[in-house]
Amino acid sequence: DAGVIQSPRHEVTEMGQEVTLRCKLISGHNSLFWYRQTMMRGLELLIYFNNNVPIDDSGMPEDRFSAKMPNASFSTLKIQPSEPRDSAVYFCASGRAGMSYEQYFGPGTRLTVT
Amino acid sequence: AQSVTQPDIHITVSEGASLELRCNYSYGATPYLFWYVQSPGQGLQLLLKYFSGDTLVQGIKGFEAEFKRSQSSFNLRKPSVHWSDAAEYFCAVGGEGAQKLVFGQGTRLTINP
Repeated sequence: DAGVIQSPRHEVTEMGQEVTLRCKLISGHNSLFWYRQTMMRGLELLIYFNNNVPIDDSGMPEDRFSAKMPNASFSTLKIQPSEPRDSAVYFCASGRAGMSYEQYFGPGTRLTVT
Repeated sequence: AQSVTQPDIHITVSEGASLELRCNYSYGATPYLFWYVQSPGQGLQLLLKYFSGDTLVQGIKGFEAEFKRSQSSFNLRKPSVHWSDAAEYFCAVGGEGAQKLVFGQGTRLTINP
C-alpha cells in the first residue's frame, strides 16, 4: 500500500497569497491529522478528523487557517492570506480511529512565505 | 493535560556504542506511549509503542523501550548504534480514548564514525 501522500513537497509564496496543502490518506484509514513543525515550537497538532468530521481544531492558529475533508481519503489545509510566520513544515498523518492510536505520517510540505 | 519532556536536545555517540534516549511524561492515567524517528527531510516513522502488558517493548530497527510507571519514563534504547540511526527522535504520549498525541521536543542523535 502507498503511504500518506502530500503535495506539494515544497511551496514558496509571497505574503498575502493563498496556499493550499493537500493530503491523501492511506487506504482504509479514517482519521486524518494535520501538524505543523517549526524549530521554535516543535511539532504541533493543528486539527484532526474522524470519518471526515473535524473532532478537534483547537490547534488551528487563527481564522486564516482552514481544513477540510471533501471525501474519506483526501484533505486540504488552506492558509489565506499567508504570512511569513506561517513558514514551517506541514505534515499530515492518517490512522484508524477506534482500532489503534498509531499515526502514519506523510513526507511533509515545506512552506516558505516571503 | 498530558505532556512530554525529552531532556536531551542533542546526543552524540560513537558507532557501535549503546544508546539511551530519555523520555518523561505527565499523564493522570495509564498512558499510551510512542517513539517516532524522523530522518532529515522525511516524515515521522513509528519505532515502537506501549499500550499495556509487558513493560519492555521491542520495535523496529533493533530499538526497545521500557515503561516505568514509578518514574513516569519511557526511555528508548539500542545496544549498538549504526551510522544510519542518525536522526531526530520524538517521544509522544496519548490517553486512552483520545487520539491526540502530545510530542516531546525531540532529541537529535549524531553518530561519530
